[in-house]
Amino acid sequence: RKEVEQDPGPFNVPEGATVAFNCTYSNSASQSFFWYRQDCRKEPKLLMSVYSSGNEDGRFTAQLNRASQYISLLIRDSKLSDSATYLCVVNMWGRDDKIIFGKGTRLHILP
Amino acid sequence: GAVVSQHPSWVICKSGTSVKIECRSLDFQATTMFWYRQFPKQSLMLMATSNEGSKATYEQGVEKDKFLINHASLTLSTLTVTSAHPEDSSFYICSAYRDRGGDTQYFGPGTRLTVL
Repeated sequence: RKEVEQDPGPFNVPEGATVAFNCTYSNSASQSFFWYRQDCRKEPKLLMSVYSSGNEDGRFTAQLNRASQYISLLIRDSKLSDSATYLCVVNMWGRDDKIIFGKGTRLHILP
Repeated sequence: GAVVSQHPSWVICKSGTSVKIECRSLDFQATTMFWYRQFPKQSLMLMATSNEGSKATYEQGVEKDKFLINHASLTLSTLTVTSAHPEDSSFYICSAYRDRGGDTQYFGPGTRLTVL
């Protein structure tokens, strides 16, 4: 099983719709979780950290399910500008630091 | 799939020494590579964009004389942390796009630098 897995998509979603995607991780010792947004051939930019209690930032909601070992990202009222690749990043800190990137999920918002 | 490697995977050095980190694209050519750093429990921070055969482009606030980047070939970029100090201790990660290969970014496994 891959350490971090994402559905590569693409998700083609009409403008205004709600879209959600998940990211699963295999190591239960994972400690920090992030969603990054990446535009075409540019560096990823932090969208939001993911906390155990779940967190919301405007139209974006992130959740962590430790029991099932996945994180999710929900985008409400999608905009054309939301079209991008969304990367899931998982960190482990301690004796063996690791940062693991998902391959990303492509999202296309259709007018 | 495309693989990006980094060497070393971890390094411990004394304050004042210089440390070189290599980033290699193993099975593809990469004109452009990126260098990031990440402090524990914080997000990635882009340090610079490394361009083969030309000078790197540094992000605001990143000292180019302290973090020397050399992209000497289409498969290798190096980051040298000069006169390292404890505050430079961090995770350094590189990434690369495959030339003429779409917009998938391939990340290296990271290098853990600890400066004593």
